[in-house]
Amino acid sequence: DAKTTQPPSMDCAEGRAANLPCNHSTISGNEYVYWYRQIHSQGPQYIIHGLKNNETNEMASLIITEDRKSSTLILPHATLRDTAVYYCIVLPNTGNQFYFGTGTSLTVIP
Amino acid sequence: GAVVSQHPSWVICKSGTSVKIECRSLDFQATTMFWYRQFPKQSLMLMATSNEGSKATYEQGVEKDKFLINHASLTLSTLTVTSAHPEDSSFYICSASRQGISNQPQHFGDGTRLSIL
Repeated sequence: DAKTTQPPSMDCAEGRAANLPCNHSTISGNEYVYWYRQIHSQGPQYIIHGLKNNETNEMASLIITEDRKSSTLILPHATLRDTAVYYCIVLPNTGNQFYFGTGTSLTVIP
Repeated sequence: GAVVSQHPSWVICKSGTSVKIECRSLDFQATTMFWYRQFPKQSLMLMATSNEGSKATYEQGVEKDKFLINHASLTLSTLTVTSAHPEDSSFYICSASRQGISNQPQHFGDGTRLSIL
């Protein structure tokens, strides 16, 4: 069962930062936060994951609150190709079965 | 990077036909692979966990006799939709993660769009 809550949709202007929130208030101490995105008619693409420290890679940054009950995915300079459904998923350290929630449909506007 | 390949990407067939979908991990070994189904405008739903050398584990409500899973090697899992009917039309997606390494992200195939006439 999905353990996360995300807004159903968001818009972002091209070139601006896209900040996608995720609530995971029931997260356990050993559960990781993963972010994926799905562009229409494709399989989900891995973006980033973290446990409690903030993480950054070439695609995005992940900010996890100190109490770990929420996180934000940041796309620093959104492009039109970032238009997709973004999924936030929590996963225990010992398991690897992903249960997807409804995600956030991000539309990047020219 | 890690790549998961699915085949075919699109299949159209008549009602009553059985359809096999292949999922391959191209540059890593995967003890476990996963199968998902996605209906239009909905999220991905986990159908089953495919275990190399043993029986698959099915999620509640998924008919194991309807959706046959075989994971005969560390790089290949197959999903067979038996006696497919129009209600089985959907987008089927597989995923895999590297064997023996914890906290590794799952990598997804590009999906198979199944249309039953």
